[in-house]
Amino acid sequence: DAKTTQPNSMESNEEEPVHLPCNHSTISGTDYIHWYRQLPSQGPEYVIHGLTSNVNNRMASLAIAEDRKSSTLILHRATLRDAAVYYCILRDVVWNYGGSQGNLIFGKGTKLSVKP
Amino acid sequence: EAQVTQNPRYLITVTGKKLTVTCSQNMNHEYMSWYRQDPGLGLRQIYYSMNVEVTDKGDVPEGYKVSRKEKRNFPLILESPSPNQTSLYFCASSSWTGSPLHFGNGTRLTVT
Repeated sequence: DAKTTQPNSMESNEEEPVHLPCNHSTISGTDYIHWYRQLPSQGPEYVIHGLTSNVNNRMASLAIAEDRKSSTLILHRATLRDAAVYYCILRDVVWNYGGSQGNLIFGKGTKLSVKP
Repeated sequence: EAQVTQNPRYLITVTGKKLTVTCSQNMNHEYMSWYRQDPGLGLRQIYYSMNVEVTDKGDVPEGYKVSRKEKRNFPLILESPSPNQTSLYFCASSSWTGSPLHFGNGTRLTVT
């Protein structure tokens, strides 16, 4: 079963902020929240990740709920090049050979459309 | 340049003819993984490897084999390909601290 839940699709207007939600109600204390995106005809690429505190980088911001059961990826000014499928996944930092930490479930993600 | 390299990018083959898709990373990553992507189904994990000689099944391992004899390489082997293995395949790698995954550019496989 997927560990995260995301809306199937979202729409945004160019140059407006976009908030992409992700629910992860069964998150454990050692799970990092990762976001990736996949542009058309390309492989997925890393966007941002965090554990508890909000995070910012040149691509986006990540807002993490206080109880860590949900998070939001924020694109501050959407451009046409941001149209992609966005995936939210959980990555356990505990390294345990024989455990399931390597089993990463991406799900179907959120398809973001950006209108000019 | 840090990268994950998959070969070939495109492959057309016939049912039952053994094939190998190679994956190599130059970042000294412990973790490597294979995914397949089909329309409407998203990314599904086939196999993963936590380190050399350590491999585990993902969610859809049937019909696939992998090996991890050296750190940089993680080949995906289809001993007897079937048409339902027609898909887009991605290899990924990362270091072992919850760090970001690096993906290859994909291999589009068609089995007739």
